[in-house]
Amino acid sequence: DAKTTQPPSMDCAEGRAANLPCNHSTISGNEYVYWYRQIHSQGPQYIIHGLKNNETNEMASLIITEDRKSSTLILPHATLRDTAVYYCIVGAGGTSYGKLTFGQGTILTVHP
Amino acid sequence: EAGVAQSPRYKIIEKRQSVAFWCNPISGHATLYWYQQILGQGPKLLIQFQNNGVVDDSQLPKDRFSAERLKGVDSTLKIQPAKLEDSAVYLCASSPYNYGYTFGSGTRLTVV
Repeated sequence: DAKTTQPPSMDCAEGRAANLPCNHSTISGNEYVYWYRQIHSQGPQYIIHGLKNNETNEMASLIITEDRKSSTLILPHATLRDTAVYYCIVGAGGTSYGKLTFGQGTILTVHP
Repeated sequence: EAGVAQSPRYKIIEKRQSVAFWCNPISGHATLYWYQQILGQGPKLLIQFQNNGVVDDSQLPKDRFSAERLKGVDSTLKIQPAKLEDSAVYLCASSPYNYGYTFGSGTRLTVV
């Protein structure tokens, strides 16, 4: 699986957009980008995933660059409850049964 | 839909003792994963089941760790004998595919 690089920590003001970057320069053509987050003392929670097109759901938006070497997770209006560790993962296609390899992630702190 | 159930929530044992963790995945999810998460790190995959067969156990320390998935539903993870470095949160996840993993809340193991 391709590796990812994320900043270790980021801050964001409540109500503002949080933009979390991820580099995955060795991603292969059939690999997806997945985002999960982990709130303290809970298991990781799925947020969103994408292949090459931008994606949006009720939680977030995912912007993938045209060369697919990097992506950005956008939380449009961050709240205090969005404080968590955010993991960017590259892995096999959505309908396969491969494993997801977690890195260190980005600790996002949303402050009042 | 009911989530992934894990028990116990917490466990404290002495080194060289044995311990077992239980996981009940979401009904109908064919794939089940056990992850180990050491404090400050991302989750690390220990073993992946597809129905009741093992797909990947390459990172499972087989001299002390064992896991089974009975009838393709519930799963147990056992450590025998435990070492201090096994102190971690053990997370179970299930999924129909790669995306949309649902994690349980985990079992926090402390080995003293």
